[in-house]
Amino acid sequence: DAKTTQPNSMESNEEEPVHLPCNHSTISGTDYIHWYRQLPSQGPEYVIHGLTSNVNNRMASLAIAEDRKSSTLILHRATLRDAAVYYCILTKNSGGSNYKLTFGKGTLLTVNP
Amino acid sequence: DTGVSQDPRHKITKRGQNVTFRCDPISEHNRLYWYRQTLGQGPEFLTYFQNEAQLEKSRLLSDRFSAERPKGSFSTLEIQRTEQGDSAMYLCASSPRDRVYQGYTFGSGTRLTVV
Repeated sequence: DAKTTQPNSMESNEEEPVHLPCNHSTISGTDYIHWYRQLPSQGPEYVIHGLTSNVNNRMASLAIAEDRKSSTLILHRATLRDAAVYYCILTKNSGGSNYKLTFGKGTLLTVNP
Repeated sequence: DTGVSQDPRHKITKRGQNVTFRCDPISEHNRLYWYRQTLGQGPEFLTYFQNEAQLEKSRLLSDRFSAERPKGSFSTLEIQRTEQGDSAMYLCASSPRDRVYQGYTFGSGTRLTVV
């Protein structure tokens, strides 16, 4: 399975944009890029996913490099509630058939007031 | 939509005892997953159900672990003869099969402490 590499931790200030990087240099052409986050004492929460094109939703934006070897999760205005561990995960498909999520250690995002 | 419910939230048990956890998925989701998470690590996949059929089991799921999903609704995860190494957060998640992917919905987990 293709691996992802994320920084262990990052810090941001409230109301500023946050760019969370993820490297996946061995990604294959059929791998989807997913992002989940886990707030303290909660289960993980789906954030966004994409294949080749950049994606936007109400929570975040996903910027995917042209060669797909890296991606960046963008939180446009960080709030204290965005403090969490963010996981970048590759899967073989988008969810139409059987798949499972393989989590790494993720990036611990701290948001300063 | 009340989300994925897990019961109990916390369980403390003595080594060697059996424990059972329950997961109630979102009602229209036919896929159900169990994960385990230890401190400082990301969740690890344990097993997966589609309706009542258990379709995949991780090697992490030793013979002491068993999961069921009778009638394709709620699921139970039983650990027999618990060991201290079983102490972890046990997470349940569900997802629909045929809709546009919207991600898994996870419960808040059951934290198991084996003393």
